[in-house]
Amino acid sequence: SQELEQSPQSLIVQEGKNLTINCTSSKTLYGLYWYKQKYGEGLIFLMMLQKGGEEKSHEKITAKLDEKKQQSSLHITASQPSHAGIYLCGADKGGGATNKLIFGTGTLLAVQP
Amino acid sequence: EAGVAQSPRYKIIEKRQSVAFWCNPISGHATLYWYQQILGQGPKLLIQFQNNGVVDDSQLPKDRFSAERLKGVDSTLKIQPAKLEDSAVYLCASSQLGTPNYGYTFGSGTRLTVV
Repeated sequence: SQELEQSPQSLIVQEGKNLTINCTSSKTLYGLYWYKQKYGEGLIFLMMLQKGGEEKSHEKITAKLDEKKQQSSLHITASQPSHAGIYLCGADKGGGATNKLIFGTGTLLAVQP
Repeated sequence: EAGVAQSPRYKIIEKRQSVAFWCNPISGHATLYWYQQILGQGPKLLIQFQNNGVVDDSQLPKDRFSAERLKGVDSTLKIQPAKLEDSAVYLCASSQLGTPNYGYTFGSGTRLTVV
């Protein structure tokens, strides 16, 4: 079965620093999602990537899907305390009416003022 | 549009007690998902409904967990009896086939603590 591995598991950065979170799949990704989560709360949708080489940005967050569609990275520029939380990558599995999201292990980000 | 509604937000119960969670998806969304997220892990799919039929419940511990979506709209997830390891956040999500990018939308979750 497809598994998603995220790295690092946790990350502490100083405010203003850049950081990157990676998500690697054992199989080709047909839809890759990035979510942010505050502890114990629901998921906030960030971005969705489908095409090899695709890159999307929202404010200071950029996500890329590699050409082979087996790895995605999430990059935060000039991090702020508001970026702190858990970042999850998710991948479409199945298809049609059976389509579902499976998730990676998550990356816990702390931003020190 | 209104989001996915879940209740309660928090629940504390003793082991061996029963508990139920409720989810109301986005209007018109045919597919509803329940996920379990244990602290420090990513969400794990428990059960997926398409309208009022079960599509996937392969990871649902059926000896103690049950879920229903009788009218193809809202859904309940029940645990009976609860164990300590059931402490987790239970997330409900919905989607509609044909929506661009499938449009998965998540509720705020129910945080369950079993003591």
